Amino acid sequence: DAGVTQSPTHLIKTRGQQVTLRCSPKSGHDTVSWYQQALGQGPQFIFQYYEEEERQRGNFPDRFSGHQFPNYSSELNVNALLLGDSALYLCASTRSLGTGVHSPLHFGNGTRLTVT
Amino acid sequence: AQKVTQAQTEISVVEKEDVTLDCVYETRDTTYYLFWYKQPPSGELVFLIRRNSFDEQNEISGRYSWNFQKSTSSFNFTITASQVVDSAVYFCALSEAGGTSYGKLTFGQGTILTVHP
Repeated sequence: DAGVTQSPTHLIKTRGQQVTLRCSPKSGHDTVSWYQQALGQGPQFIFQYYEEEERQRGNFPDRFSGHQFPNYSSELNVNALLLGDSALYLCASTRSLGTGVHSPLHFGNGTRLTVT
Repeated sequence: AQKVTQAQTEISVVEKEDVTLDCVYETRDTTYYLFWYKQPPSGELVFLIRRNSFDEQNEISGRYSWNFQKSTSSFNFTITASQVVDSAVYFCALSEAGGTSYGKLTFGQGTILTVHP
């Protein structure tokens, strides 16, 4: 049973560039959330996708956008990269069990983005 | 607003010692979930436990145990007879229990646990 998979594992970009990160949820999961984890900090919620729509958003600028595909996989896009965007980006998935109940949230290994 | 505080930034113990990681949370929600995750150097957040706010029973899983006390808004995690493989960063997290809010976790700053042989 494959867990949450993310690609690429590492990425180096230059300030001002754009980046796309990818996530495949755990088998059977339909909801994907993205988190940013700066060095030495706890993860910060970026947004969540369900049924191909952004359902919730954290306190991140519009430079951060996403997409969910019919197969439940998801992309995180960041435009106009800043040095401060350097972080570990984590994807998490869960399964909606109906009436507001969900399975536990499972995380991938993350993509480490370095902006120079 | 939700907040999770892990007052212990770093803990260092010798193998076979018991260790307790503290977690205090703040929320205005009446129903919520509490979580503990382990983050080894590889970076992946490994799910350890989820507890619903209605369920105040303590839980034991092998060498791990969790003490949930709603009266003090605490959800502490104890590792009995620690091992070197327990060395990692441990995060406590909080989520609303409502349908559209689940998946938006508020994390603490994490506790770095180092277990020496």
